[in-house]
Amino acid sequence: QKEVEQNSGPLSVPEGAIASLNCTYSDRGSQSFFWYRQYSGKSPELIMSIYSNGDKEDGRFTAQLNKASQYVSLLIRDSQPSDSATYLCAAYRSYIPTFGRGTSLIVHP
Amino acid sequence: SQTIHQWPATLVQPVGSPLSLECTVEGTSNPNLYWYRQAAGRGLQLLFYSVGIGQISSEVPQNLSASRPQDRQFILSSKKLLLSDSGFYLCAWSVQAASYEQYFGPGTRLTVT
Repeated sequence: QKEVEQNSGPLSVPEGAIASLNCTYSDRGSQSFFWYRQYSGKSPELIMSIYSNGDKEDGRFTAQLNKASQYVSLLIRDSQPSDSATYLCAAYRSYIPTFGRGTSLIVHP
Repeated sequence: SQTIHQWPATLVQPVGSPLSLECTVEGTSNPNLYWYRQAAGRGLQLLFYSVGIGQISSEVPQNLSASRPQDRQFILSSKKLLLSDSGFYLCAWSVQAASYEQYFGPGTRLTVT
């Protein structure tokens, strides 16, 4: 059974702080990893992808991957109230994904 | 640019009634297509995926079926809905043999009464 584990939260951070979201996966054959943001009542939107060990930065977002530890993380710098949402982690073996249940992030002014 | 459509946006159906949800993708050819269900407070459950016309793979045994009659059309169906079929149904697409980044449609919120 392939699993992706995330802390459900909520993770509460003050505006301007760094939010750190974590995810572990069980399938060592996973090749691609994605972070999605889902606002309440809306569909998920892709915000980051990462395929190799290390860090990948895109604006205020940094994704980190450690395949040996089967660990993926997402850092959000200078958090804004508009970042308040549920963040879904997904691990893919080829084109077949396994999603975590998501971490709820609350950014308070 | 690519666009994905789903309809209807919301649906209320009685137990035992049939279901048909449609998803279409514009602006790309031969995409991988996916159906997910998200129950209230739960994660995304992959229901079906398709890598081509007429090719459907099921991830979980259930009361639902899927079809892909055209390259960019994906349909989710049920002959008789159960209360447990309630949820948020999402269609997604990705480019084949590429990064596998998935893009989701707006979803259909189904309530079975």
